[in-house]
Amino acid sequence: GAVVSQHPSRVICKSGTSVKIECRSLDFQATTMFWYRQFPKQSLMLMATSNEGSKATYEQGVEKDKFLINHASLTLSTLTVTSAHPEDSSFYICSAERRDSYEQYFGPGTRLTVT
Amino acid sequence: AQSVTQLDSQVPVFEEAPVELRCNYSSSVSVYLFWYVQYPNQGLQLLLKYLSGSTLVESIDGFEAEFNKSQTSFHLRKPSVHISDTAEYFCAVTPDSGGYNKLIFGAGTRLAVHP
Repeated sequence: GAVVSQHPSRVICKSGTSVKIECRSLDFQATTMFWYRQFPKQSLMLMATSNEGSKATYEQGVEKDKFLINHASLTLSTLTVTSAHPEDSSFYICSAERRDSYEQYFGPGTRLTVT
Repeated sequence: AQSVTQLDSQVPVFEEAPVELRCNYSSSVSVYLFWYVQYPNQGLQLLLKYLSGSTLVESIDGFEAEFNKSQTSFHLRKPSVHISDTAEYFCAVTPDSGGYNKLIFGAGTRLAVHP
């Protein structure tokens, strides 16, 4: 149990377009989901925390108007990168926290390339 | 606030040799501690965790870590590594304060196992 999926796994888009990434907890309910960004050979940096039915909490330095997060249900959160630029190219990873534990379960990640 | 220091960015080791990946943390409150493993182009997988109880925790594939409160360390060890253990390893902490919490990650240690 405790499987988290992300879709798509890879996406290439043109500069100026928007991209939506989905994060789903497949076999458990997640009241909280987290979005991370990882640059090559670096650690994960938390971008935002989202709770089902409420606005996301963004980390300092993360533009909330650029990285739109929606957590519409207990099993789905989406991250939309708006007006993407090449510097937004990165590996985006989500995680979901089970309602009954303190553990986070991570998705497989989405490789975004903006050309 | 919490912080995590992984002292070694890279650890090369020969197959069947022992290995230790070091992790130190800083926190003014009690914490939960985690080790995650990341294979290339994949998300993070939980390797082992310390929440409470015995300070020595083990994974199913031979890794172990010991929580040392006085030294604020949570070093990861394996007595005999395999080629398949080649991956990036991240140490992480979260405050023991109940509810959801942000994971604070170290910079990661790249374990490279050579034949």
